[in-house]
Amino acid sequence: EPEVTQTPSHQVTQMGQEVILRCVPISNHLYFYWYRQILGQKVEFLVSFYNNEISEKSEIFDDQFSVERPDGSNFTLKIRSTKLEDSAMYFCASLLAGETQYFGPGTRLLVL
Amino acid sequence: GNSVTQMEGPVTLSEEAFLTINCTYTATGYPSLFWYVQYPGEGLQLLLKATKADDKGSNKGFEATYRKETTSFHLEKGSVQVSDSAVYFCALSDITGGFKTIFGAGTRLFVKA
Repeated sequence: EPEVTQTPSHQVTQMGQEVILRCVPISNHLYFYWYRQILGQKVEFLVSFYNNEISEKSEIFDDQFSVERPDGSNFTLKIRSTKLEDSAMYFCASLLAGETQYFGPGTRLLVL
Repeated sequence: GNSVTQMEGPVTLSEEAFLTINCTYTATGYPSLFWYVQYPGEGLQLLLKATKADDKGSNKGFEATYRKETTSFHLEKGSVQVSDSAVYFCALSDITGGFKTIFGAGTRLFVKA
């Protein structure tokens, strides 16, 4: 069965550093998403991406965040200058319109 | 906007007990409804789904019925096992939200042997 993959599985960074989280969505999917889950809390929507542009973003997704689909297969989330409160699990997801969203295994980010 | 409300946990049960986790939703369109399970230290696994009113989703002994009249999607299992200990998230997705998934707060289940 096809799956969404994410790298790295864990990332530790210093406050103020830039991080890039990578995702490879399922190949024929059209919609791409990033979600965040702070430890012990609910899963929150960050951003959706369709047709090579952001279609919706939450208030969490401020100017420090950006997304890109640079080569037609990868889908990346960049945090420009990490803060302590960015420590969370980040999930990528993709879907074909109207079908079930497939989630990746997540990247656990720890900002020190 | 769309939202999901589920019962607060933790829920603690003995093995073989009956499980119900309540979930209600608010949506402007006609959403699909989901239950996801998250085991300690792991990612999200889709447990079951229902795409229209009166559909019943089922998997691994868990089931939930899409009730449009009560805007509910309660999760049930007749006999829980220790291995069912996890966090359960109710969620919805629909076209008016660009198919993004809106999650409930999660309910932690502990099953004692």
